[in-house]
Parts: sequence; C-alpha cells; structure tokens
Amino acid sequence: DAKTTQPNSMESNEEEPVHLPCNHSTISGTDYIHWYRQLPSQGPEYVIHGLTSNVNNRMASLAIAEDRKSSTLILHRATLRDAAVYYCILRDDTDKLIFGTGTRLQVFP
Amino acid sequence: DGGITQSPKYLFRKEGQNVTLSCEQNLNHDAMYWYRQDPGQGLRLIYYSQIVNDFQKGDIAEGYSVSREKKESFPLTVTSAQKNPTAFYLCASSAQGRETSPLHFGNGTRLTVT
Repeated sequence: DAKTTQPNSMESNEEEPVHLPCNHSTISGTDYIHWYRQLPSQGPEYVIHGLTSNVNNRMASLAIAEDRKSSTLILHRATLRDAAVYYCILRDDTDKLIFGTGTRLQVFP
Repeated sequence: DGGITQSPKYLFRKEGQNVTLSCEQNLNHDAMYWYRQDPGQGLRLIYYSQIVNDFQKGDIAEGYSVSREKKESFPLTVTSAQKNPTAFYLCASSAQGRETSPLHFGNGTRLTVT
C-alpha cells in the first residue's frame, strides 16, 4: 500500500499558483519526500525532494509541515504545460519505492 | 546523453506467449525498477534490483520474471501466467540506497495482448 495520500484531482487557471497537498502520517524520521509528475503517455519525471526544510528549485517549491506528516508542492504560476499527474512518494534507503494514484492537475487557459 | 531506454514503444502479442521488455540505462545506476500502469491508475511496483545478480519482488510480481546479469540492463519477461498483461510498463533507475537520489524513468512500453 502507498504510504502517501493525495486528492484525486485538482484544477487551476493559467498563471495562478497551485498548491498540491500530500499526507504521509506514517513517515519515519529518515524518509525523504519526493515529488514526480507524469505527462500523458510518458514516464514520470522528478520534480523536487526534501527532508525537513522547505525547498525551492526552478520547477517548484516544496513546503513540509513541522511534524512532517504532510507536505505541499507549490507551482508558483501554473502553465498549460503543468497539466499532469503529480505523485508524492516517500524514499528511504530500502529502494522499495511505492507510488500511489497521484493527483491529476488540470490547468485552464 | 545519459538516460533510460525502453524498447519497443509498442508491443503486441497473442495470449499464451511470453514476451520480454527491454530496459537499458547508461547512468551507472545500481538500482533499477519495473512498474506497471493501467489506464487512469498509478504505478505499481513489479520487481526491483539494488545490485547486479540480485532482485526483489514488488507488490505485483506474480506472472512476471526479471534478470539482472549486467548493471546496465534489467529485462522484464511477462509470462503466460500473468492474467491481465495488457498495460503500460515503465522502467526506472536510481543511485542505490540513497534517499536523496531521484528516479529516472524511461518512456515506457505499451503492451497489448489479445
């Protein structure tokens, strides 16, 4: 079973910020939080990861709750190309990586 | 360019035949993975390998087999025992045992069995 839960779908308008939530209440102290996104008929691509502190990169920001039981992927200005399925997963050192069903993001012009 | 190559992109087979999906990486990664994706669903882990000549079952290994004779290659065989083999198959790799290492995915093989 996936260790994370995400809403099935979300919608946004172009150029607006998008906050994609993820719950991981059973996270352990050494689990990293990773986010991936998948465009139709393609393999997922890495977006961002973090452990405790908030993280920023050119694609997105990751906000991690103080108790680490939830996190939020932030797209600062959604574009049509951001329409995809977003997956939040926990990564430990066992290499057994379980994906959930993800959040399908629709972006409207 | 470094990356993961899955071939072929589309594959068609008759029911009862075994079929092998290819996955090659030139990223020098130790860990490799096979996932299955059904329409509108998430990814489900079939097998993964942390090192050459070793692999572990994922959540849905029944009806599948793998080998890891070389670091660069992790072929997946879909056997006739797999009840619903039609799906989108994704291969991935990463640096082994490192929590910060992202997965790199191929572009998938879409298998249709009739």
